[in-house]
Amino acid sequence: EIVLTQSPGTLSLSPGERATLSCRASQSVGSDYLAWYQQKPGQAPSLLIYGISSRASGIPDRFSGSGSGTDFTLTISRLEPEDFAMYYCQQYGSSLFTFGPGTRVDIK
Amino acid sequence: QVQLQESGPGLVKPSQTLSLTCTVSGDSVGSSSYYWTWIRQPAGKGLEWVGRIYSNGRTNYNPSLKSRVTISTDTSKNQFSLKLSSVTAADTAVYYCARGGDCTGGACFTYWGQGTLVTVSS
Repeated sequence: EIVLTQSPGTLSLSPGERATLSCRASQSVGSDYLAWYQQKPGQAPSLLIYGISSRASGIPDRFSGSGSGTDFTLTISRLEPEDFAMYYCQQYGSSLFTFGPGTRVDIK
Repeated sequence: QVQLQESGPGLVKPSQTLSLTCTVSGDSVGSSSYYWTWIRQPAGKGLEWVGRIYSNGRTNYNPSLKSRVTISTDTSKNQFSLKLSSVTAADTAVYYCARGGDCTGGACFTYWGQGTLVTVSS
């Protein structure tokens, strides 16, 4: 089973700042098999990024994904008020999906 | 627009079987090109994939739950269901149903239900 680790656990930033979230895998992840989700309190997660760097439908271009192998990054170029939320990375391998523990992006 | 809605008991006794149903609109569980999945989230914690089913009936389950999980479809009602047997307090969580596979590589979940809280308690 591939284990995902996310850092930092909490990121405290101000609107307009750049957010850089890290996701590290215990083994190499296939290039099509890394996704990112945003979750707000009381809501279901919503897909942001799939295939490491492809934005899901309707996702603004301030969200971008990058990385390869075992190290992946979600970048929010300029934080908007609605971006303060929980973010999870997710991978697929050997017919098993796993999620990272999440990074909380808080208002500073 | 694809929509999913979970339903089922909010309280289950320890050792009993948790049963949830997801009603789908905007797609067909029996003929979709994608797959149907269950994901759960204990309060204040992260997400855990439970399992998935394809329209042809093929299933994959999380190995940590495999001995207790069954996912099935009811094409006449356009629903898919989760059964989790021998539940304990550790199975208390919000359970989400979702549709997956409509992205490159098929390894993402695009449409989600709102989630339903299931508490395991006597």
